[in-house]
Amino acid sequence: EAGVAQSPRYKIIEKRQSVAFWCNPISGHATLYWYQQILGQGPKLLIQFQNNGVVDDSQLPKDRFSAERLKGVDSTLKIQPAKLEDSAVYLCASSFQGVGQETQYFGPGTRLLVL
Amino acid sequence: AQKITQTQPGMFVQEKEAVTLDCTYDTSDQSYGLFWYKQPSSGEMIFLIYQGSYDEQNATEGRYSLNFQKARKSANLVISASQLGDSAMYFCAMRVTNAGKSTFGDGTTLTVKP
Repeated sequence: EAGVAQSPRYKIIEKRQSVAFWCNPISGHATLYWYQQILGQGPKLLIQFQNNGVVDDSQLPKDRFSAERLKGVDSTLKIQPAKLEDSAVYLCASSFQGVGQETQYFGPGTRLLVL
Repeated sequence: AQKITQTQPGMFVQEKEAVTLDCTYDTSDQSYGLFWYKQPSSGEMIFLIYQGSYDEQNATEGRYSLNFQKARKSANLVISASQLGDSAMYFCAMRVTNAGKSTFGDGTTLTVKP
């Protein structure tokens, strides 16, 4: 079974530029999560999708971050314009239904450096 | 709101010895799950073990066991017979059963010495 795929793995941009990250979850997983992990901290949930609907985006900085999950499969997370404090690892995860004891399976992450 | 506290930024253990990584949590919900993940330097989060709030027995998965003390709101991870490959960051996380959202602690860096 293929795992969660993310691209790119690394990205360096200058502040005020825009950037997009892509995630392909495990086949059949209805729930998809985007996390931001700043160096030295645990992952923080940015947005959670159930199929192609948003379940939780309470911690997503909506003035600069946006995410979509068209057709309930792949997802894209965008930052526009980027700030220095956006430098972090962006982790995508998926789970079957997103409830109870279900395990979240994580992708390798995208390391973003904003200069 | 849920909160996870991991008070040990870094831990050292000798190879083949056991080590305990601490985790305390705070929630007003009665139904929740507790998870431990390992994050090696490559960055990927690897699921290790799960404990449900209504589970009466402590969870075990191979060399990993979870010391669950509900009254104290603690869910410590015990790794037995440490191996060099266990050197990594370890995160404790909690999910309220009906919410789906997971809250993570800030992690503990474990270094296994030969």
